Amino acid sequence: QSALTQPRSVSGSPGQSVTISCTGTSSDVGGYNYVSWYQQHPGKAPKLMIYDVSKRPSGVPDRFSGSKSGNTASLTISGLQAEDEADYYCCSYAGSYTPFGGGTKLTVL
Amino acid sequence: QVQLVESGGGLVKPGGSLRLSCAASGFTFSDYYMSWIRQAPGKGLEWVSYISSSGSTIYYADSVKGRFTISRDNAKNSLYLQMNSLRAEDTAVYYCARAPGDLGQYDYWGQGTLVTVSS
Repeated sequence: QSALTQPRSVSGSPGQSVTISCTGTSSDVGGYNYVSWYQQHPGKAPKLMIYDVSKRPSGVPDRFSGSKSGNTASLTISGLQAEDEADYYCCSYAGSYTPFGGGTKLTVL
Repeated sequence: QVQLVESGGGLVKPGGSLRLSCAASGFTFSDYYMSWIRQAPGKGLEWVSYISSSGSTIYYADSVKGRFTISRDNAKNSLYLQMNSLRAEDTAVYYCARAPGDLGQYDYWGQGTLVTVSS
């Protein structure tokens, strides 16, 4: 049971776009179209932002988008806003367990 | 509206036991898979365990297998995590989360309950 790999931090200025990667293996990210992304502000519970690789739950702005290529999934946030500053985690179906990524801290400059 | 409220956290000595509960409301609890996910202080999320809607299918992370037991009572709309032989590395905020299937995706989370294992 191995964790997925994310960059520890990314940053961008308001209005810019950033992309966060999430690398796994053919047993998790690459093997299924069930990657999800979560946003977590300090002291708060995680919030689902993307599911099934690229679908957005109701209420999530369309500035958030997801994609996947091979064993790597990506979350792109366009038109960065101050409130996007948070930690982001990816997660993938892997059969009998669901590994998370180590988390990426997004800083809005 | 969907609500998940965890309880039962606290301070426990190494080797001790604790039982967490998660009270669910605002949805048909028996229709959903449920999971426990934890977060050590200043660290990332770690999946702990999940249980199918009927309770017939259960999985655990290797780090807790043999020490933790997940269960549910659909009549009481409640999820539980019995934690035995606790270690310092089990110190974390424990979240219960709803899964709309067995696909490892979690659409609602509780606010979490803190478990501290220390002598």
